[in-house]
Amino acid sequence: NAGVTQTPKFRVLKTGQSMTLLCAQDMNHEYMYWYRQDPGMGLRLIHYSVGEGTTAKGEVPDGYNVSRLKKQNFLLGLESAAPSQTSVYFCASSTGLAVSYEQYFGPGTRLTVT
Amino acid sequence: RKEVEQDPGPFNVPEGATVAFNCTYSNSASQSFFWYRQDCRKEPKLLMSVYSSGNEDGRFTAQLNRASQYISLLIRDSKLSDSATYLCVVNRGGRRALTFGSGTRLQVQP
Repeated sequence: NAGVTQTPKFRVLKTGQSMTLLCAQDMNHEYMYWYRQDPGMGLRLIHYSVGEGTTAKGEVPDGYNVSRLKKQNFLLGLESAAPSQTSVYFCASSTGLAVSYEQYFGPGTRLTVT
Repeated sequence: RKEVEQDPGPFNVPEGATVAFNCTYSNSASQSFFWYRQDCRKEPKLLMSVYSSGNEDGRFTAQLNRASQYISLLIRDSKLSDSATYLCVVNRGGRRALTFGSGTRLQVQP
């Protein structure tokens, strides 16, 4: 069981370039999330998904798009990267069970936009 | 005002000490509460949930005060391996999305 994996682990982009971050989970979880973590800010929710084919905006969605075409994968896209998007990006997943809110996180992607 | 507020620390304590962290949340509709642990440059991991009656897991004790909108984490007999950042996390219900505090850093000294 790999849990939650993220690709790539590191990336440097120039302003205006685009990229896609891939998150994959093998726990058959319904819910998946994308967060960004900046110093002193805590984790902030970008977008999330409550099931295959569904997505919703989180706290800081501007400049990002997402897709959940398969239950196990959740993609985060940056169409035109900006220096303000320099951050550590974490993907997480959780079950759809009402009794458990535990979120399982991937190892993170460190993105620098110059 | 941040929805979840924590003292960033760092808290520097000797091995064997008892240390307590506090956290306040602003949304009275918050329903579920957690402490996550994050090691340097790693992903957060669930440490424990926080129940209304308070709960304990080994050396860790969590308390919730809904009237004051306040959560605490007590660590007894600190170990070097407890050095990490502790994130206070709140769920408002409904969407299952979590709101994270910015964390309190603990450094346990030998």
